[in-house]
Amino acid sequence: AQKVTQAQTEISVVEKEDVTLDCVYETRDTTYYLFWYKQPPSGELVFLIRRNSFDEQNEISGRYSWNFQKSTSSFNFTITASQVVDSAVYFCALKWGNNRLAFGKGNQVVVIP
Amino acid sequence: KAGVTQTPRYLIKTRGQQVTLSCSPISGHRSVSWYQQTPGQGLQFLFEYFSETQRNKGNFPGRFSGRQFSNSRSEMNVSTLELGDSALYLCASSSEPGQVTGANVLTFGAGSRLTVL
Repeated sequence: AQKVTQAQTEISVVEKEDVTLDCVYETRDTTYYLFWYKQPPSGELVFLIRRNSFDEQNEISGRYSWNFQKSTSSFNFTITASQVVDSAVYFCALKWGNNRLAFGKGNQVVVIP
Repeated sequence: KAGVTQTPRYLIKTRGQQVTLSCSPISGHRSVSWYQQTPGQGLQFLFEYFSETQRNKGNFPGRFSGRQFSNSRSEMNVSTLELGDSALYLCASSSEPGQVTGANVLTFGAGSRLTVL
């Protein structure tokens, strides 16, 4: 079965601090995709990043970076120099079976000015 | 280009009633998926449609159904509403048929928030 675990529920940081969100996944598939989505108070899920199971290269995109480690089934996400607009719920998701996404429970990030 | 549009945004129903939610995907997207979001269960997959055919279905009772029209617009219906059906229902569209080897990204709408009294 596919499963995504985000252990932390709410994380509070002071503006300009970095925040790292942990994600651990379970799947028997050898080919899969991992995503991070952001959900602001408006409710819409906004795509942030994706990674496929064959590419463990870690990247930085603006203030976002991610660390994918297949050996530990982890796909962690970091926001550098957080801003108040980063306050939202962040979801890690595993794509399997066509367009089917399994989501973690989400991390509520609160950035304090 | 316009994003995924869901209507209505908010609605209130009473137990036993039925509800129909609508989703207009991004132009050119042929795959539409539906998710239910509740505080207790989080985000759960309902079903996915492609070219008017249901290709995937999540673990929900038969009261939850959907369909897709030839213009890719989709509707989902919940009959005999229960209190536990109160949730945010999110629709997502993508540009290519879902395949395990594909990396298509699901673009979500703002959701329809259903309250069942």
